[in-house]
Amino acid sequence: AQKVTQAQTEISVVEKEDVTLDCVYETRDTTYYLFWYKQPPSGELVFLIRRNSFDEQNEISGRYSWNFQKSTSSFNFTITASQVVDSAVYFCALTYYSGAGSYQLTFGKGTKLSVIP
Amino acid sequence: DAMVIQNPRYQVTQFGKPVTLSCSQTLNHNVMYWYQQKSSQAPKLLFHYYDKDFNNEADTPDNFQSRRPNTSFCFLDIRSPGLGDAAMYLCATSIRLAPDTQYFGPGTRLTVL
Repeated sequence: AQKVTQAQTEISVVEKEDVTLDCVYETRDTTYYLFWYKQPPSGELVFLIRRNSFDEQNEISGRYSWNFQKSTSSFNFTITASQVVDSAVYFCALTYYSGAGSYQLTFGKGTKLSVIP
Repeated sequence: DAMVIQNPRYQVTQFGKPVTLSCSQTLNHNVMYWYQQKSSQAPKLLFHYYDKDFNNEADTPDNFQSRRPNTSFCFLDIRSPGLGDAAMYLCATSIRLAPDTQYFGPGTRLTVL
């Protein structure tokens, strides 16, 4: 089964703390892609990162960093020195081949991050 | 800036009264998607267009239809909205089908009275 699990439903941190959002995935495919999206209260899903299954290099973008580990089927997201503007729901997602030339994007249930000033 | 635009941002309709939501894009992407997102849930794909080719998800109710008159525009028609159809409706685009990255619009929040 193709599945994304975000075990943390809600997290609250105080501004300037570091926070890690967990994502664990299941797939039968050897080729797949993982994504993180941010959904602020305004509703728009904002693309953050895409990673393919052959690239296990960790990535850093400003205060954001991602740790991809195939051995544990995890793609965790860390925000360093969190800010109030980071408050949002964060979705981890997986693209997998669903047959007949089609791919599906399946989302985890999301983690709501609240950064308290 | 190239973007995905959804109008209106908020839509109120009455039970059973047809409603149309619109999406336009300036990205010139080939694929356009419609997702339904209910409160505190993940987005759920309803259907997508690759150019003019329409692909309906197996569990999308018949009550939901879509039109794509040209590359830039895509519409979501709900023929007879029920209370259970109240949700955020998100439009997304991508250059090609997944695994290409999908870029989302701001969404239309639909209320059914």
